[in-house]
Amino acid sequence: QKEVEQDPGPLSVPEGAIVSLNCTYSNSAFQYFMWYRQYSRKGPELLMYTYSSGNKEDGRFTAQVDKSSKYISLFIRDSQPSDSATYLCAMMVNQGGKLIFGQGTELSVKP
Amino acid sequence: GAVVSQHPSWVICKSGTSVKIECRSLDFQATTMFWYRQFPKQSLMLMATSNEGSKATYEQGVEKDKFLINHASLTLSTLTVTSAHPEDSSFYICSARETGTGELFFGEGSRLTVL
Repeated sequence: QKEVEQDPGPLSVPEGAIVSLNCTYSNSAFQYFMWYRQYSRKGPELLMYTYSSGNKEDGRFTAQVDKSSKYISLFIRDSQPSDSATYLCAMMVNQGGKLIFGQGTELSVKP
Repeated sequence: GAVVSQHPSWVICKSGTSVKIECRSLDFQATTMFWYRQFPKQSLMLMATSNEGSKATYEQGVEKDKFLINHASLTLSTLTVTSAHPEDSSFYICSARETGTGELFFGEGSRLTVL
């Protein structure tokens, strides 16, 4: 079993839709949870960063962490074609530790 | 924001040759840098962790004699793919952890194609 599981998609939605992206994990020691966006042939860029459980909102993006269920989510409201990219969840045990990535979900937002 | 530069961004080489990829933190110091490998439509797989002035720590299954990592300064780490073969063709991405803040920044990646 992989440490971090993420549905690879692809996921296709119309412009303006609410997108829900999810990851599950098996290591209960993970405390830091990130979402990265990666455009084709580019390096990943950090979108959201959450420590422990709870919600975090930044503009159209909301990250949720449920440590009891070992489940994290990223919601994108009012999705735009420019949101089309691969979204990767990532997590680590401590700030000095290794970052473990999910497989990435390919999202396409159609105008 | 902080920038991590990778060079070259794209390299094509013949089988059997060695290729060096550089990872530079342009406006911050990074005691620790990480090297990842990514196959098409797959996740980033951590290959090794490099710490300035010491030997790299390789993940299980990664051949340290094949993928040589040198972190000679606080702003530069290099990955050398020795005797490259077509199966080494991949997207290699580095990340640098800013000394002090611990914040992590990713490079733009280097695409290696071995013919």
